[in-house]
Amino acid sequence: EVQLVESGGGLVQPGGSLRLSCAASGFTFSSYWMHWVRQAPGKGLVWVSRINSDGSSTSYADSVKGRFTISRDNAKNTLYLQMNSLRAEDTAVYYCARDEDYGDFLFDYWGQGTLVTVSS
Amino acid sequence: DIQMTQSPSSLSASVGDRVTITCRASQSISSYLNWYQQKPGKAPKLLIYAASSLQSGVPSRFSGSGSGTDFTLTISSLQPEDFATYYCQQSYSTPPSTFGPGTKVDIK
Repeated sequence: EVQLVESGGGLVQPGGSLRLSCAASGFTFSSYWMHWVRQAPGKGLVWVSRINSDGSSTSYADSVKGRFTISRDNAKNTLYLQMNSLRAEDTAVYYCARDEDYGDFLFDYWGQGTLVTVSS
Repeated sequence: DIQMTQSPSSLSASVGDRVTITCRASQSISSYLNWYQQKPGKAPKLLIYAASSLQSGVPSRFSGSGSGTDFTLTISSLQPEDFATYYCQQSYSTPPSTFGPGTKVDIK
């Protein structure tokens, strides 16, 4: 059974940093591109970032470019999102999602999400 | 970036009703259109991909159609477990991939 479990969310002050993790199991993690998608409270879904299967290629939404870094450790079956210079507008539930087929941005499995709150 | 719109933003329906949700792209996206269902406090779930292909395990009462800029998601006979918010997503021009604002389906 495919499972994605996010962790690392919490309350952080504006300008602060946080690192999210997504532990994967039930599939060959190293074969799949992975994504982060976020959802502000009461709002819709917004794609944040993606990484290819070996970690050599990444992309970001303009809203997080230069502040967030996506990475992965295939030996640990874990995806990460390092978030720096956090702003109030980054407050959201962050989901990791599996890309069904080599970067086609089709999200076939999602984690349960982890809440990040940026507030003083 | 390609902009996605959905209509209606919300609707009220009864069990057994036929429900149709529309999604429109700001430019042609061929058939690169996916639909997700999200229940409160839960992660989104993939329902339909490539405009009309049913994801494995999704009930056949869900169907999708369309190409180019206009797409529809239809639930042929609404069931109690279908009350949720539905999002369309374009995967044609990426990154970024963009989602519609969602359509909330609730009980009449």
